[in-house]
Amino acid sequence: RKEVEQDPGPFNVPEGATVAFNCTYSNSASQSFFWYRQDCRKEPKLLMSVYSSGNEDGRFTAQLNRASQYISLLIRDSKLSDSATYLCVVNIEYGGATNKLIFGTGTLLAVQP
Amino acid sequence: NAGVTQTPKFRVLKTGQSMTLLCAQDMNHEYMYWYRQDPGMGLRLIHYSVGEGTTAKGEVPDGYNVSRLKKQNFLLGLESAAPSQTSVYFCASSPAGTGDEKLFFGSGTQLSVL
Repeated sequence: RKEVEQDPGPFNVPEGATVAFNCTYSNSASQSFFWYRQDCRKEPKLLMSVYSSGNEDGRFTAQLNRASQYISLLIRDSKLSDSATYLCVVNIEYGGATNKLIFGTGTLLAVQP
Repeated sequence: NAGVTQTPKFRVLKTGQSMTLLCAQDMNHEYMYWYRQDPGMGLRLIHYSVGEGTTAKGEVPDGYNVSRLKKQNFLLGLESAAPSQTSVYFCASSPAGTGDEKLFFGSGTQLSVL
């Protein structure tokens, strides 16, 4: 089983739609969770951290479910500019050092006009 | 605002050739990382550094070496390139390895090994 799994998509949605991505992780000891955004042929950029209580940033809402070991990202009122690959990232202790992040393969979102 | 700068952006090598990728950051970050990204796979950590003069192996270190002689620079070397090392390479940095720090990425290096 992969340490972090995501549905690769693509998710094709019309402008204005609400879309949700899920990501599952295998290490129950993971403490930190993130969503990164990666545009085509560009570097990943942090979209938002995911906190236990859930958090919202404008049209984006992130949720964490520790019992089921998954995190989710909800995008409301999709814009064309939201088209990108969304990477689920989980912190896993690795060799005693901190900040070892495991990246999912990403979910491709294509927002259609 | 330079942030993290990688050079070169593109490179084509023949099998057996060597090369060095340079990563430079101007944010005074302690931690630096080298990742590779391949189709259908997430970014995988090659090597990382927790400070000047230190390096450590990541998930896929074989065939690569690194050096962190100066805090702002992190070099990735391929001594004898192989086609399996064809990939997009990203350098990243973060202030400290607390597990809750944002990673800042460079724009990537597309490497093809023929």
